[in-house]
Amino acid sequence: EVQLVESGGGLVQPGGSLRLSCAASGFTVSSNYMNWVRQGPGKGLEWVSVIYSSGGTYYADSVKGRFTISRDNSKNTLYLQMSSLRAEDTAVYYCARYSSDEAFDIWGQGTVVTVSS
Amino acid sequence: QTAVTQEPSFSVSPRGTVTLTCGLTSGSVSTSYYPSWYQQTPGQAPRTLIYSTNTRSSGVPDRFSGSILGNKAALTITGAQADDESDYYCVLYMGSGIWMFGGGTKLTVL
Repeated sequence: EVQLVESGGGLVQPGGSLRLSCAASGFTVSSNYMNWVRQGPGKGLEWVSVIYSSGGTYYADSVKGRFTISRDNSKNTLYLQMSSLRAEDTAVYYCARYSSDEAFDIWGQGTVVTVSS
Repeated sequence: QTAVTQEPSFSVSPRGTVTLTCGLTSGSVSTSYYPSWYQQTPGQAPRTLIYSTNTRSSGVPDRFSGSILGNKAALTITGAQADDESDYYCVLYMGSGIWMFGGGTKLTVL
């Protein structure tokens, strides 16, 4: 079965760090464009970051310099290392595959990150 | 900085037709932006409806269609049903490895 399962969310203080994981099954992470998308409470979807199959990485301006996307090919897992966290980073974080058909076609169920003192 | 625009809310009658749009604060949307559309109900992950402007995702009813209308991407629902009441998001590829979602449209069927 093709699926993505996120983990690693939780409560963190402002200025703190957290690492999210996204385990894939049924396909190979390193062969695809893998993304993180977030949704703040009561807000819309916001694209956060992508890692290309080539290894190239890109970020939204709102997280550039604070977040790092990476992958572990041996574990078929995607990561998002988040640092210098702010209250406005509070959100459900989804990992999603962007397919060769130009669609975010597979989504995880999301993991909740709360930044609060 | 350019932003992606969507109507905040829309209402449609059961069995009616509604067109939601996805534009840019600066410039026109074309197929080169690879517009895609997603449906989301509360507490759930988004569901892919339309990709690459007008291709329906597997299992999506044919009452959903995508197009370019004027300078915007469009999602048309023909014969709306009660369970189409959801939030709808478009996303555009802005180039240079960057994607951008619209703010979403809350669709009410009544």
